[in-house]
Amino acid sequence: QKEVEQNSGPLSVPEGAIASLNCTYSDRGSQSFFWYRQYSGKSPELIMSIYSNGDKEDGRFTAQLNKASQYVSLLIRDSQPSDSATYLCAGYNNAGNMLTFGGGTRLMVKP
Amino acid sequence: DAGITQSPRYKITETGRQVTLMCHQTWSHSYMFWYRQDLGHGLRLIYYSAAADITDKGEVPDGYVVSRSKTENFPLTLESATRSQTSVYFCASSEATGTNTEAFFGQGTRLTVV
Repeated sequence: QKEVEQNSGPLSVPEGAIASLNCTYSDRGSQSFFWYRQYSGKSPELIMSIYSNGDKEDGRFTAQLNKASQYVSLLIRDSQPSDSATYLCAGYNNAGNMLTFGGGTRLMVKP
Repeated sequence: DAGITQSPRYKITETGRQVTLMCHQTWSHSYMFWYRQDLGHGLRLIYYSAAADITDKGEVPDGYVVSRSKTENFPLTLESATRSQTSVYFCASSEATGTNTEAFFGQGTRLTVV
């Protein structure tokens, strides 16, 4: 079992809608989580980091962490076609030295 | 230039040959990571390093060797390349681990083993 799991998608949403991306993790001791965006043929780039239970907002993006349910999510409001990419969830293990990624969810925002 | 750079960007090699992928970062980050990315598997951790001379296996280490004699360099060697090692390889670095530490990625190396 992978330590971080994501639905591969594709997730298709219309322009202007809210896109909801989800991720679960298996190491209950994990403390730090990240969302990366990866365009085709490019390297991953960080969108959000989250370390505490609850919500963290940055512009159109909101990351949510629920440690009791071992669940991380990313909401993208007012989705734009330029948001079409693969979104990767990542987390450090309990020891805080291994950063592992989920398989990624492909998001398609249709004009 | 500051940042993290990988070389080469593209490499074609033959089965059985040794090949080394280079990774260099200018931030003096403690941690460095090597990942491979294949369709349907996302990013899989091969090896990571907490500091110079400290390396550890990740999720898929078989067939790979790493070294870290200097903080800024973290080369990845395929001792005897196989077709299954055809992939895109990403190197990343992080200032520390735990809280407030994201990983930054190099541009990637696309390796084809024929």
